[in-house]
Amino acid sequence: GENVEQHPSTLSVQEGDSAVIKCTYSDSASNYFPWYKQELGKRPQLIIDIRSNVGEKKDQRIAVTLNKTAKHFSLHITETQPEDSAVYFCAARGPGYSTLTFGKGTMLLVSP
Amino acid sequence: EAEVAQSPRYKITEKSQAVAFWCDPISGHATLYWYRQILGQGPELLVQFQDESVVDDSQLPKDRFSAERLKGVDSTLKIQPAELGDSAMYLCASSPKAGAFTGELFFGEGSRLTVL
Repeated sequence: GENVEQHPSTLSVQEGDSAVIKCTYSDSASNYFPWYKQELGKRPQLIIDIRSNVGEKKDQRIAVTLNKTAKHFSLHITETQPEDSAVYFCAARGPGYSTLTFGKGTMLLVSP
Repeated sequence: EAEVAQSPRYKITEKSQAVAFWCDPISGHATLYWYRQILGQGPELLVQFQDESVVDDSQLPKDRFSAERLKGVDSTLKIQPAELGDSAMYLCASSPKAGAFTGELFFGEGSRLTVL
């Protein structure tokens, strides 16, 4: 099955800095790559996703890039704010009825 | 805004006891998932339903866990007997599209299980 590795496990930045979280996946057939944000004690919520026919997608301060050849994708957050502090999960999904497999998460701490 | 409903929010039980969790997905969502999230880790799929049919239960410990979605709407996840290692957050999620690609998952707030 699919295996998703996520790095780093924790990331501390100063407010206004950029943050980058990286994930690799094992199944070359995977074609959908979402990112979820989970604030402390809250449910995971989708913040951005990308499909395999697109190399980059941006939504205001967040962007995701995908390198299918290398089987890795990254989340970029610019101009970080304290409210960006949360755990971020990447995930990958194959075609058909394939399972959505999550990485272990990155705890992002943005200090004022 | 419609949300996935789960109950109970918290459950404390002793090992060897039976526990059950209930999930009501967003109305009209054909696909329903049960995930287990151990503290500090990502969600791990236990079972995926498409309407009332199980699509994937390969990671469900079938000797003690069972799940059903009899009418293709709400779902129940049962553990019997509970073990210490079952302590975790049990997340239910649903997605709006039927068929192969189901897109965004909408999660419930979860049921936190503590086994003593």
